[in-house]
Amino acid sequence: KNEVEQSPQNLTAQEGEFITINCSYSVGISALHWLQQHPGGGIVSLFMLSSGKKKHGRLIATINIQEKHSSLHITASHPRDSAVYICGCGSQGNLIFGKGTKLSVKP
Amino acid sequence: GAGVSQSPSNKVTEKGKDVELRCDPISGHTALYWYRQSLGQGLEFLIYFQGNSAPDKSGLPSDRFSAERTGGSVSTLTIQRTQQEDSAVYLCASSPRDRGTGELFFGEGSRLTVL
Repeated sequence: KNEVEQSPQNLTAQEGEFITINCSYSVGISALHWLQQHPGGGIVSLFMLSSGKKKHGRLIATINIQEKHSSLHITASHPRDSAVYICGCGSQGNLIFGKGTKLSVKP
Repeated sequence: GAGVSQSPSNKVTEKGKDVELRCDPISGHTALYWYRQSLGQGLEFLIYFQGNSAPDKSGLPSDRFSAERTGGSVSTLTIQRTQQEDSAVYLCASSPRDRGTGELFFGEGSRLTVL
């Protein structure tokens, strides 16, 4: 079993839809990270959280430490949100990442 | 520049040759990570440097891989006797805080092709 699992693996949505990407982990963590990787390959950090909820624009990340689960939500999705979303976590520094969720938002 | 810089951006080499990949982290960042991403795959952890502590090398796939970080700044990932399965994008990230508790800043990566 992978230490970090994401679902779904692929997601296609219509512009404007509410998107949820899930991340479950089996390791102890200091923090959980959500990353975004665009088709060009560049990776940017979206969120780092260790409890509760964070919001940035149309993006919301939540984490439930007891259930070892995090979700990334995108409200009012747009084609420019099309990318691979990756979650990762760790407790000793060696952050382990999931395989990513490929999101495609159609106009 | 202000971001994480990696060089070379592209490297094509012949099987059996050694390669060195360089990462210049953001100034002042104490944590530095190396990851590998094969085509269509996720981020594979390779090695983690944290301040003056011994690096976590648990992700290095074989003894052909090694990395060092000089003066707590620049890092070099060395692959000896390259194999075709080493072909991938090698990504470096730095963070202002240790133990994964700081925001991650990724470089653009070094694409390695082993013929």
